[in-house]
Amino acid sequence: DQQVKQNSPSLSVQEGRISILNCDYTNSMFDYFLWYKKYPAEGPTFLISISSIKDKNEDGRFTVFLNKSAKHLSLHIVPSQPGDSAVYFCAAFNYGQNFVFGPGTRLSVLP
Amino acid sequence: DTAVSQTPKYLVTQMGNDKSIKCEQNLGHDTMYWYKQDSKKFLKIMFSYNNKELIINETVPNRFSPKSPDKAHLNLHINSLELGDSAVYFCASSQARGGETQYFGPGTRLLVL
Repeated sequence: DQQVKQNSPSLSVQEGRISILNCDYTNSMFDYFLWYKKYPAEGPTFLISISSIKDKNEDGRFTVFLNKSAKHLSLHIVPSQPGDSAVYFCAAFNYGQNFVFGPGTRLSVLP
Repeated sequence: DTAVSQTPKYLVTQMGNDKSIKCEQNLGHDTMYWYKQDSKKFLKIMFSYNNKELIINETVPNRFSPKSPDKAHLNLHINSLELGDSAVYFCASSQARGGETQYFGPGTRLLVL
């Protein structure tokens, strides 16, 4: 019973183009959504987040969009750089509850 | 000046042994967590510990026992290790329970032979 889904296990993008990573969730009560980035042999690191009351949050090259009616969020990276190659995890939680992580999407940015 | 640290980084051991993984955070956070990343790469919460309140995930076998000597440390002790315990275990911390970004340690790769 996956509450947070990332249906694309991998994604390849040319350097300089846009990377779009998608995430779907089933629990309409989630308060907050986050994206984490993970390099091999390291722990996940926080990238960007969005509250359930917003539909967009931007931080430099990273933008997260939230569509509550579709229970869908996406992470846009533009322009993509080779250093962005990593596994990206979508996560969600209710205040006071535990985080729920998606299975991750491996992004490869090709030079 | 690592924010969340774990030791050891790698752990190879025989089935049936008892082992511990240590976690320390220097962020002054109130809440600490243990996650297990299984072979399918899912990150699943095992425990969260907030100001002496331990929340146990009911799917975690009781061979796993967290111990928190103080707010900055949350260690994971595993009894009678089984092959299926092989995974990467991540420690994390946050300022408050469920309301803040979690900061993760580098992970401990456990291999049970």
